[in-house]
Amino acid sequence: NAGVTQTPKFRVLKTGQSMTLLCAQDMNHEYMYWYRQDPGMGLRLIHYSVGEGTTAKGEVPDGYNVSRLKKQNFLLGLESAAPSQTSVYFCASRPRGGGATAEAFFGQGTRLTVV
Amino acid sequence: AQSVAQPEDQVNVAEGNPLTVKCTYSVSGNPYLFWYVQYPNRGLQFLLKYITGDNLVKGSYGFEAEFNKSQTSFHLKKPSALVSDSALYFCAVRDNSGAGSYQLTFGKGTKLSVIP
Repeated sequence: NAGVTQTPKFRVLKTGQSMTLLCAQDMNHEYMYWYRQDPGMGLRLIHYSVGEGTTAKGEVPDGYNVSRLKKQNFLLGLESAAPSQTSVYFCASRPRGGGATAEAFFGQGTRLTVV
Repeated sequence: AQSVAQPEDQVNVAEGNPLTVKCTYSVSGNPYLFWYVQYPNRGLQFLLKYITGDNLVKGSYGFEAEFNKSQTSFHLKKPSALVSDSALYFCAVRDNSGAGSYQLTFGKGTKLSVIP
């Protein structure tokens, strides 16, 4: 079972470069999320999507854009990378069924370093 | 706004001893509470959740958690720790107010080290 797959696993960017992180899930989940994890700060929500073609801002959206053109994919874009965006990025998904009680499933993470 | 506090950055426990990882929460409505575990260089894995009913919730790998509404706490416990339990543990909360995103709010995490 693939579950939630993130691509790439590691990346080093130069300041000002752009890149896209891909999240793919094969569980037919409606909801998808992008988090960033920083030491001592837990996970913070960047953007989320409640269905194909819809996205919304989370807690720390600045400097990121997202797209959900297909139900199974959720893309996170960095328009002009900054050292402050050095972090580990996690994608998660969950089904609509179960309302607020359903647990989320996480990908293995993307470790991004901006130099 | 909902929030989660994990007051201990790190917990050390000897193998075979009971362990507790603490979590307190704040939500406007009734809480849905979750524990996740993160092993090194891995994503988060779901351990257990409290939705309603029995205050003692049992989950994966022998872990359990006790919901205490009056103390707004949801501490993670295990009767006998294993070295393989060493990992980063996250408590998370989601309220049932009907907000569309059903997003989870995470604590900062507690690093558990089980000493052989």
